[in-house]
Amino acid sequence: DAGITQSPRHKVTETGTPVTLRCHQTENHRYMYWYRQDPGHGLRLIHYSYGVKDTDKGEVSDGYSVSRSKTEDFLLTLESATSSQTSVYFCAIRGLGFHEQYFGPGTRLTVT
Amino acid sequence: QQQVKQSPQSLIVQKGGIPIINCAYENTAFDYFPWYQQFPGKGPALLIAIRPDVSEKKEGRFTISFNKSAKQFSLHIMDSQPGDSATYFCAADGVNNNDMRFGAGTRLTVKP
Repeated sequence: DAGITQSPRHKVTETGTPVTLRCHQTENHRYMYWYRQDPGHGLRLIHYSYGVKDTDKGEVSDGYSVSRSKTEDFLLTLESATSSQTSVYFCAIRGLGFHEQYFGPGTRLTVT
Repeated sequence: QQQVKQSPQSLIVQKGGIPIINCAYENTAFDYFPWYQQFPGKGPALLIAIRPDVSEKKEGRFTISFNKSAKQFSLHIMDSQPGDSATYFCAADGVNNNDMRFGAGTRLTVKP
């Protein structure tokens, strides 16, 4: 998993509660990404970061925010979780190649 | 609107067969086309990738065929094995390399 860990690996939460997912990398990569995976949609980019405190929106950013205060950590926050945010969330880093991305093990989030 | 369309949704082949998974894209600005392999409960793993300046790339039993004029590319798995049973995703990335778009995925089953 290219030195990427995600926590928690599984979470069940209630509608309206805030949730923070953490991605941690050990290899000092500059670029980090958050995706969600849903049946029939493949993976869709939520937000990405190109350095400490430098982030930008992806294809499906509504309802999500991110922060990166250290190179190794990229946090994804759902300010007020909704059932439509039930999904599997993957963090990725960009490797040495210009385009190559490597994914973490994922977090399965269920919003009831 | 999905920018990368993948087919079939699922595929069953016998051991030794050659499954073929197809993808089509719209955006001519894409210049990097990877394939990812994902096992249940794991993150996607980069399998093989191609640039549009070549028509074919082979790595072991995996081959990408690329048709730039038709805006299509496909993955062929030679001498398929039960261990190849997984979900495969095609993807496409552009020059800004921070907006990778994924196909919906193909669940491949290789029967012994």
